[in-house]
Amino acid sequence: DTGVSQNPRHKITKRGQNVTFRCDPISEHNRLYWYRQTLGQGPEFLTYFQNEAQLEKSRLLSDRFSAERPKGSFSTLEIQRTEQGDSAMYLCASSLMFGAGILEKLFFGSGTQLSVL
Amino acid sequence: AQKVTQAQTEISVVEKEDVTLDCVYETRDTTYYLFWYKQPPSGELVFLIRRNSFDEQNEISGRYSWNFQKSTSSFNFTITASQVVDSAVYFCALFGGSSNTGKLIFGQGTTLQVKP
Repeated sequence: DTGVSQNPRHKITKRGQNVTFRCDPISEHNRLYWYRQTLGQGPEFLTYFQNEAQLEKSRLLSDRFSAERPKGSFSTLEIQRTEQGDSAMYLCASSLMFGAGILEKLFFGSGTQLSVL
Repeated sequence: AQKVTQAQTEISVVEKEDVTLDCVYETRDTTYYLFWYKQPPSGELVFLIRRNSFDEQNEISGRYSWNFQKSTSSFNFTITASQVVDSAVYFCALFGGSSNTGKLIFGQGTTLQVKP
């Protein structure tokens, strides 16, 4: 079990630039989640995938955000035309979902800290 | 709507003191799961416990214990004989199973500082 891996750990970008983050979940996990955490707050849900299907997106996920999970393995989160308000820690998590409504624990990565200047 | 409230923003104790972190939740689901996670300064969220809504037995794991009371919609976390290494941000979280939205709802977190 190598855990959930996120790259890069830190990203500094200028306003208006595009950024992309990568998440490699635990290999046998069928669910993958993206969360955003700002200073002093709990993680806020952005979106999740069941295998390669994106099943839910939060209203926080504006049209500048897009996430993919091709082939149900790793996932990418892209932010286009970044704004200063996008500065946050972006967390990825994965889990096994055995059936409707049964959630085992989420395993989190160390996150990608985004700073938009 | 689902919501988790952790009213204590910061708690400071001296080593060896007992400390209780409060968590109150709101959900219309009859089946749901409650979690506690620890976030040390390194940033990674570390799983502590998962409890489903049908199991109200309290649980003890070493110095950690959890008190789940459906009647008051609370899931409190107690650390006995706290240690400096317990210093971290602790999050309570809720998953509404019957709604099957797939998302875990987190509280705002309680920062625990244990002083030597």
